[in-house]
Amino acid sequence: EADIYQTPRYLVIGTGKKITLECSQTMGHDKMYWYQQDPGMELHLIHYSYGVNSTEKGDLSSESTVSRIRTEHFPLTLESARPSHTSQYLCASSDYHMGEKLFFGSGTQLSVL
Amino acid sequence: AQTVTQSQPEMSVQEAETVTLSCTYDTSESDYYLFWYKQPPSRQMILVIRQEAYKQQNATENRFSVNFQKAAKSFSLKISDSQLGDAAMYFCACRLNSGYSTLTFGKGTMLLVSP
Repeated sequence: EADIYQTPRYLVIGTGKKITLECSQTMGHDKMYWYQQDPGMELHLIHYSYGVNSTEKGDLSSESTVSRIRTEHFPLTLESARPSHTSQYLCASSDYHMGEKLFFGSGTQLSVL
Repeated sequence: AQTVTQSQPEMSVQEAETVTLSCTYDTSESDYYLFWYKQPPSRQMILVIRQEAYKQQNATENRFSVNFQKAAKSFSLKISDSQLGDAAMYFCACRLNSGYSTLTFGKGTMLLVSP
């Protein structure tokens, strides 16, 4: 159903590497979000955006950064990955006219060795 | 800021039976939305059902219905005629009806469905 895509699906990297998790949506939604989720646990909002050139930090402090240069694209970057960054990262988007229903991507499972 | 509490880490139900997942929330606002999301194993999270706080009528979507008690700040999900495909983690969530509000999720309830 969802036209929101995340790549890669799985990523295993070494400590200190710079990584970018990609998220794109084709629905023209203004709002986009990044959540962090450990296995079987709740979702924590780490970043969100209300439109182009708008980014905000979420409830959970994160060492990652985001950018929103185009409506459809909301990448998340870790400048220097650490084992504590190992988690699942979920991207989502929403539109006011759909009652703020969130559409989620399939997630990126990140493992930092 | 709103909080969402799901007190049942795990629930079990047999096929064709009915199960109710509990959720309570806390907010000082009167205008907000409540949601139930489903996250199947290794699959995308999807919206199950949505309730607007100003509507007294409980939302229903096929086999899924809610019991919304605004005064008690309770928002339970009832799944009727449970199916194996209903097995998933279910998250309750709340969002204020404000353009700059974000969604707050509960910790989730894992639903197990047995044949």
